[in-house]
Amino acid sequence: QQQVKQSPQSLIVQKGGISIINCAYENTAFDYFPWYQQFPGKGPALLIAIRPDVSEKKEGRFTISFNKSAKQFSLHIMDSQPGDSATYFCAARSYNQGGKLIFGQGTELSVKP
Amino acid sequence: DGGITQSPKYLFRKEGQNVTLSCEQNLNHDAMYWYRQDPGQGLRLIYYSQIVNDFQKGDIAEGYSVSREKKESFPLTVTSAQKNPTAFYLCASSIGDRVESPLHFGNGTRLTVT
Repeated sequence: QQQVKQSPQSLIVQKGGISIINCAYENTAFDYFPWYQQFPGKGPALLIAIRPDVSEKKEGRFTISFNKSAKQFSLHIMDSQPGDSATYFCAARSYNQGGKLIFGQGTELSVKP
Repeated sequence: DGGITQSPKYLFRKEGQNVTLSCEQNLNHDAMYWYRQDPGQGLRLIYYSQIVNDFQKGDIAEGYSVSREKKESFPLTVTSAQKNPTAFYLCASSIGDRVESPLHFGNGTRLTVT
């Protein structure tokens, strides 16, 4: 199975709150899990990524948590800011897939002031 | 500045016409990709190319065609056979030979077919 399932589809958070976006996958050959951030009218840009041999990776206010046994990973945005309002995509790739990234359905995050 | 240029930003066509979307990169990347973005469906891979003069179908290649005659260029043609062509199209590139090499995206072309 190539699919990556992402939830929720949309999320509204108050400024200063924690935003949490979840993803699940089935293909155990996936070995790289990036998150992309997309602002309206722009292309997505890499935000943070993790390999499955690590359970957590933190970069500033952004943290990926990875649960290999459950085949789930999530993005946490601490102290969410209005400037974080964007669409977030999780993705997965396997070494034997020619570099293809399989994307989740996307989460539209709105951070209210 | 290095990056990916997609043109035009907006494109309008009548049903039954073929249309070609441009994608140029100056990052010296080997791999290039075309994704289609529809609301609630994420990014779906149309075609990808890991090297000049070679390309492979992605998950939704029907009704599309590509060419890769130069390393910098990967144009996408949306043919009249594509049943629902109205969408936001994103081109991307990557170094390609490492699983962690990130995708660099252009700013997309929004195609409207009426």
